[in-house]
Amino acid sequence: RKEVEQDPGPFNVPEGATVAFNCTYSNSASQSFFWYRQDCRKEPKLLMSVYSSGNEDGRFTAQLNRASQYISLLIRDSKLSDSATYLCVVFPSGSARQLTFGSGTQLTVLP
Amino acid sequence: EAQVTQNPRYLITVTGKKLTVTCSQNMNHEYMSWYRQDPGLGLRQIYYSMNVEVTDKGDVPEGYKVSRKEKRNFPLILESPSPNQTSLYFCASSLVGTRGYEQYFGPGTRLTVT
Repeated sequence: RKEVEQDPGPFNVPEGATVAFNCTYSNSASQSFFWYRQDCRKEPKLLMSVYSSGNEDGRFTAQLNRASQYISLLIRDSKLSDSATYLCVVFPSGSARQLTFGSGTQLTVLP
Repeated sequence: EAQVTQNPRYLITVTGKKLTVTCSQNMNHEYMSWYRQDPGLGLRQIYYSMNVEVTDKGDVPEGYKVSRKEKRNFPLILESPSPNQTSLYFCASSLVGTRGYEQYFGPGTRLTVT
């Protein structure tokens, strides 16, 4: 089983739609969780951290469910510019205290 | 401007010809890391360094070497590149501590080994 798993998609949604991604992780001792955004073959950039109580940043909402070991990202009112790959990141993962990246979920917002 | 730089950005080489990809950061970060990204496999860590002269293997270290002689630089060395090392490579840096910190990535190096 992969340490961090994401549905690769692609998710194709119309502008203005609400879309949600989930990500599951295997290490119950993981402490920190993040969502990164990666535009086509460019470097990943931090989108938001995920806090235990859930957090919002504009149209983006991140949530953590420790019992079921998953995190989620909700995007409301999708824009064309939201088209990207969204990477789930977990720390630590495994025996090494390192970040582990999921393989990403591809989102395309259609006009 | 805070940044991570990598050079070269694009490289086409032949099997067996040693090469070095440089990485430099200007944020005084202790932690630096190299990743490779392949379709369907996501980002996989090659090597990382917690500080000067401290390096350790990541998930896919075979065929690579690194060094950390200065805090700002973390070069990736391929002593004898092979076609299966054709990939997109990212260098990243961050603070280090008891929780994960934001990783700042370089722009990537697209390597093709023929």
